[in-house]
Amino acid sequence: NAGVMQNPRHLVRRRGQEARLRCSPMKGHSHVYWYRQLPEEGLKFMVYLQKENIIDESGMPKERFSAEFPKEGPSILRIQQVVRGDSAAYFCASSRQGQALLSPLHFGNGTRLTVT
Amino acid sequence: DAKTTQPNSMESNEEEPVHLPCNHSTISGTDYIHWYRQLPSQGPEYVIHGLTSNVNNRMASLAIAEDRKSSTLILHRATLRDAAVYYCILWAQGGSEKLVFGKGTKLTVNP
Repeated sequence: NAGVMQNPRHLVRRRGQEARLRCSPMKGHSHVYWYRQLPEEGLKFMVYLQKENIIDESGMPKERFSAEFPKEGPSILRIQQVVRGDSAAYFCASSRQGQALLSPLHFGNGTRLTVT
Repeated sequence: DAKTTQPNSMESNEEEPVHLPCNHSTISGTDYIHWYRQLPSQGPEYVIHGLTSNVNNRMASLAIAEDRKSSTLILHRATLRDAAVYYCILWAQGGSEKLVFGKGTKLTVNP
């Protein structure tokens, strides 16, 4: 079974450009979570989505950041007008039935965004 | 989410057991104890979870104190591949759907 696939693995953007990060969950998983890890810091929750629905976006910055998980295709984390402070590793995780049923999260290996 | 306290770092030798402690004195009756680990340059990886009883799987054992205010993750024979940051996380059934990661314990394994 393929694990959670994230691409690209590394992404370099200039200030003001847009960054689009993709996440394909494990087969059969319909719950996706995005986390951000700043250099030398812990993982911070950003958003939790089920197919076509945002369930919890309490960790998302109010501006420039958006996420979607369409009926078909990968989940996308979009950052508009990137700034240097957006440089971080962004991790996606998926689970089969949501944490309410104690499904462990399966994480991808992340996208490392560098803003120059 | 209830808070956990872990040492910032620990060191062990290869092929020796490792006991990683976690304090969670404010744990509630519905809080499950989860452990994840993050190897360098990788995403976190699920290790084990439990509620009240001790748990074993192929990766590790989880020993939970009788009063549930602390727990210990046990790696029976550390290998170099076990060098990682280990996170102890509380999650309440029926509560928030997300796992909240703290700073974890950075485990160094010496050859």
